[in-house]
Amino acid sequence: GIQVEQSPPDLILQEGANSTLRCNFSDSVNNLQWFHQNPWGQLINLFYIPSGTKQNGRLSATTVATERYSLLYISSSQTTDSGVYFCAVGSGGGADGLTFGKGTHLIIQP
Amino acid sequence: GAVVSQHPSWVICKSGTSVKIECRSLDFQATTMFWYRQFPKQSLMLMATSNEGSKATYEQGVEKDKFLINHASLTLSTLTVTSAHPEDSSFYICSAVDLGRVLHTQYFGPGTRLTVL
Repeated sequence: GIQVEQSPPDLILQEGANSTLRCNFSDSVNNLQWFHQNPWGQLINLFYIPSGTKQNGRLSATTVATERYSLLYISSSQTTDSGVYFCAVGSGGGADGLTFGKGTHLIIQP
Repeated sequence: GAVVSQHPSWVICKSGTSVKIECRSLDFQATTMFWYRQFPKQSLMLMATSNEGSKATYEQGVEKDKFLINHASLTLSTLTVTSAHPEDSSFYICSAVDLGRVLHTQYFGPGTRLTVL
C-alpha cells in the first residue's frame, strides 16, 4: 500500500511565526486531504488538494503530484493553531479509504 | 454542509459486552462510509469500507466477526464491537463520502471513545 511520511513530527513555535509542514507519499494518488485534529479528537478538513495550490486565510497548501509531496503553510501562527496536523491520501477516487501519515504535532506558544 | 455525526461520543462497558456505534451523514447521502481506529498518540488506521446495501470490506488484520458493520441506508452506518475486551479500547471515527459531488472529500464524524473495563 501507499506509504505516507510527514515531517517534522513535532514543531514548537512562537505566536506569529510561520511554518511549513511536509507530506511525502510513495505512489500516485487522486485524493489528498490535510486535517487538523483538535484536542477533542475532531478532524477538521483543511484542504482537499490532490494537485495544485489552494489558500484559505492564513493557511495554504501545495501538492506537486508528479514529485509526490504536499506542503501545508501556516502563516502568522496563533495559539489556536496548536494540535496535530494529518496528511491523508487515497488512490481509488472516493471509493477508497484514506491512508494517514503519523502527523505533525504543532505547539504554538504565546 | 457535509456534516457527519456519531453516537455515542463516549462509552464505557464491561469486558464481554457488545457496543454499537452509529455514524450518520446529516445533510447528504453517503453511498460509502469508512471506519477508522485511532490509539492514543497514534495515527488513524482504516478498519473497513461500508457501502450502502452491500457487505463491508475489511482491511487486513481486522476481524470481521468482531467488528460488525451495517450500512442499511444512505445516511446511516453502524459499527458493533462484539464481545469487547480491554484491547479494543480506542477512538473510533467514521467518515462519509458524497459520491455525487465532483470532489470526493471525506467528511469525518467527531469520533467515539470506547473504554472497555
